[in-house]
Amino acid sequence: DAGVTQSPTHLIKTRGQQVTLRCSPKSGHDTVSWYQQALGQGPQFIFQYYEEEERQRGNFPDRFSGHQFPNYSSELNVNALLLGDSALYLCASSLGQGTLNTEAFFGQGTRLTVV
Amino acid sequence: DAKTTQPNSMESNEEEPVHLPCNHSTISGTDYIHWYRQLPSQGPEYVIHGLTSNVNNRMASLAIAEDRKSSTLILHRATLRDAAVYYCILRDVWNQGGKLIFGQGTELSVKP
Repeated sequence: DAGVTQSPTHLIKTRGQQVTLRCSPKSGHDTVSWYQQALGQGPQFIFQYYEEEERQRGNFPDRFSGHQFPNYSSELNVNALLLGDSALYLCASSLGQGTLNTEAFFGQGTRLTVV
Repeated sequence: DAKTTQPNSMESNEEEPVHLPCNHSTISGTDYIHWYRQLPSQGPEYVIHGLTSNVNNRMASLAIAEDRKSSTLILHRATLRDAAVYYCILRDVWNQGGKLIFGQGTELSVKP
């Protein structure tokens, strides 16, 4: 079992550009969440996808958008990048909504640097 | 979202027990207590969770106060590989599939 895989591992972008990050969930998982982790801080919830729809959203602007595909994989898109968007972006997968077995599995993350 | 309070950092000696405290005085009756840890350069990983009773698994034990306003994660024999940031998180039972609210966590260092 490959667990949660994210790509790319590192990325450097220029202010104003757009970026797409990708996530493949753990086998059998159907729910994907995205988190942003600034240096020295705990991860901050961006949004969660289930059944190809955004189900929950954190306090992030509309520049942050996502998508979930029929195979449960997911993308995080960030438009009009700002220097403050530099962070580690983490993807987490879990099984189902409303189930009690809700251990979340995290990927290694994508380190985004905006210059 | 209910909040938790943890010490910023703790130190332990290798092969000794470690007790990581967490205060959650505003916990509601439907909040589960979850613990995750984040090793250097890795994503967080699940450690343990509980509601009212103490819980044990292969990684750790979770001791929950009778009034549920505090809990303690217990690592029975710390190893160097246990050096990580430990996060205590409250998660509503009706939101079990939902977001995790991370605080600052406790950075645990383990001395050989």
